[in-house]
Amino acid sequence: DGGITQSPKYLFRKEGQNVTLSCEQNLNHDAMYWYRQDPGQGLRLIYYSQIVNDFQKGDIAEGYSVSREKKESFPLTVTSAQKNPTAFYLCASSIRTSGSYNEQFFGPGTRLTVL
Amino acid sequence: QQQVKQSPQSLIVQKGGISIINCAYENTAFDYFPWYQQFPGKGPALLIAIRPDVSEKKEGRFTISFNKSAKQFSLHIMDSQPGDSATYFCAASTYNQGGKLIFGQGTELSVKP
Repeated sequence: DGGITQSPKYLFRKEGQNVTLSCEQNLNHDAMYWYRQDPGQGLRLIYYSQIVNDFQKGDIAEGYSVSREKKESFPLTVTSAQKNPTAFYLCASSIRTSGSYNEQFFGPGTRLTVL
Repeated sequence: QQQVKQSPQSLIVQKGGISIINCAYENTAFDYFPWYQQFPGKGPALLIAIRPDVSEKKEGRFTISFNKSAKQFSLHIMDSQPGDSATYFCAASTYNQGGKLIFGQGTELSVKP
């Protein structure tokens, strides 16, 4: 089955620790995205990548970092600089980011809690 | 100008009733308006989408109405069912940013039996 997988489903972090959230897709999509979801605030874009070895900041990139070394993988690191990291994190992918109307496909999400 | 404003934040509807969720935007360059449905603990999934060359699009019990002059669009769920209980997000994009979406704040719909 083609799709997007995120791991882990639940993640607990102590203050001051960096954690990395995994996102893998086998849809052969060029573009990948990371969103943060908080109650009542919708989905806010953290980072997105249109192609391997390239990525751009979204609206709330501070305290986060990403890499795109392989087309199918787009891990997100939540650093200790992120002041309020407790949230539901969603990874998505689409065929590309420009030149057509592209559906975004979402993974099942990772719920991060800071203890 | 990049915002999409969605209302209401929450909605309670009786089984068999009509659920209506509204969205408004400012950027006249937006030309793609999808709606996503999200069940608790899951990722959103595309429900239905419209482009501004039509004023209405219907898929089963779900209809998007689009008013270009008012810069508003809405989702209507006819004959609402308890299984429709979920959070609904409107979004907007342009052809040049086809995969990059601006999302509304979300509406939590609860359909009572």
